[in-house]
Amino acid sequence: AQSVTQPDIHITVSEGASLELRCNYSYGATPYLFWYVQSPGQGLQLLLKYFSGDTLVQGIKGFEAEFKRSQSSFNLRKPSVHWSDAAEYFCAVALNTGNQFYFGTGTSLTVIP
Amino acid sequence: DAGVTQSPTHLIKTRGQQVTLRCSPKSGHDTVSWYQQALGQGPQFIFQYYEEEERQRGNFPDRFSGHQFPNYSSELNVNALLLGDSALYLCASSHSSPLHFGNGTRLTVT
Repeated sequence: AQSVTQPDIHITVSEGASLELRCNYSYGATPYLFWYVQSPGQGLQLLLKYFSGDTLVQGIKGFEAEFKRSQSSFNLRKPSVHWSDAAEYFCAVALNTGNQFYFGTGTSLTVIP
Repeated sequence: DAGVTQSPTHLIKTRGQQVTLRCSPKSGHDTVSWYQQALGQGPQFIFQYYEEEERQRGNFPDRFSGHQFPNYSSELNVNALLLGDSALYLCASSHSSPLHFGNGTRLTVT
């Protein structure tokens, strides 16, 4: 069965510090991989996606993610966190863009000044 | 260019009632998916509509039904509401692309 695991329920970082959010998946094949961000009371915004090719992908707002097939992981990173990055982050997988997306339970990010 | 719009934004219903949620997809998108997001959880797939037909369905009971109109807009209907149906209902649209989400409808069942 398909599943997405985000081991960290909540992370607190200082503004300007680096960030890494973990995501592991279980899927029958190499899926399409996504990271979304959700601010309070809002829908989900796509940060970045991986379909194939270069395993390091760049996204919006200075985020990047690295796909590691051997570890079934797709971790999200940012070199320097800004206070506006405080939000809920969701990792998702899908067979392709036309299929249902499977989401993790999310990681809540708090940024302290 | 308007993104995905959902109405209403908030809704309070009583157990046993029926509810209809509405969604207009992003311009150029022809596929609409509905997700349920319970508090503290990730979104769970309810179903997807394409060309006015339900194309895929998640693990939700028949109380959850939907419709897609010729202009690609969509409705989600939930009958015989249960307390456990309280959640944020997200509509997402796509066209051979990643999902674009609306801001959701917050449904509270009392």
